[in-house]
Amino acid sequence: IQLTQSPSFLSASVGDRVTITCRTSQGVSSYLAWYQQKPGKAPKLLISAASTLHSGVPSRFSGSGSGTEFTLTISSLQSEDFATYYCQQFNSYPYSFGQGTKLEIK
Amino acid sequence: EEQLVESGGGLVQPGGSLRLSCVASGFTFSNYEMHWVRQAPGMGLQWVSYISGTGSAKSYADSVKGRFTISRDNARNSLYLQLDSLRAEDTAVYYCARRGIAAAGRKFDPWGQGTLVTVSS
Repeated sequence: IQLTQSPSFLSASVGDRVTITCRTSQGVSSYLAWYQQKPGKAPKLLISAASTLHSGVPSRFSGSGSGTEFTLTISSLQSEDFATYYCQQFNSYPYSFGQGTKLEIK
Repeated sequence: EEQLVESGGGLVQPGGSLRLSCVASGFTFSNYEMHWVRQAPGMGLQWVSYISGTGSAKSYADSVKGRFTISRDNARNSLYLQLDSLRAEDTAVYYCARRGIAAAGRKFDPWGQGTLVTVSS
């Protein structure tokens, strides 16, 4: 299953609302997770099952979607949110990832 | 605290071998399916391999099939990845990650800190 994230690069300011889209080549039900990765660090789980916020993740992060189209929304960007974001499907092996969306400060 | 710690990375020549280890703590290791994910320099995440909790089921990405072998020792809370016939394109940071249990566990958490494998002459 191929995952395509859009956009690949996003420039935004603190306080902005941003949305990242992940489209899958086949339906994956709601078996999709989102991760945040900062340079030199391991990815961190943000959201699982398309919309379930992981423990400790700020409520400004939210996820939605099912089937083949999913979104990650950050309601009001904070400085610590500038990072790269990945989606991953868990419908079938291999558990493929999207190519990533790099969120940069404008 | 649930934790994964990788080791074993390093510089190896093309065609060489390396064995990566991942030690788990803070949870019942044998209950969980474990995975390896890699990230080439400046690139995205690539799923590499998985092994079931008992070790009876395994799967590999096509790019590593026949060259990499995943295994685990539940008595030692340890996961391994044997890398053979290494190529320059295998250069990456290798992460181990735990998959959750059952349908609600379709996620990777936690992840290890990663170990760098560099394949170069």
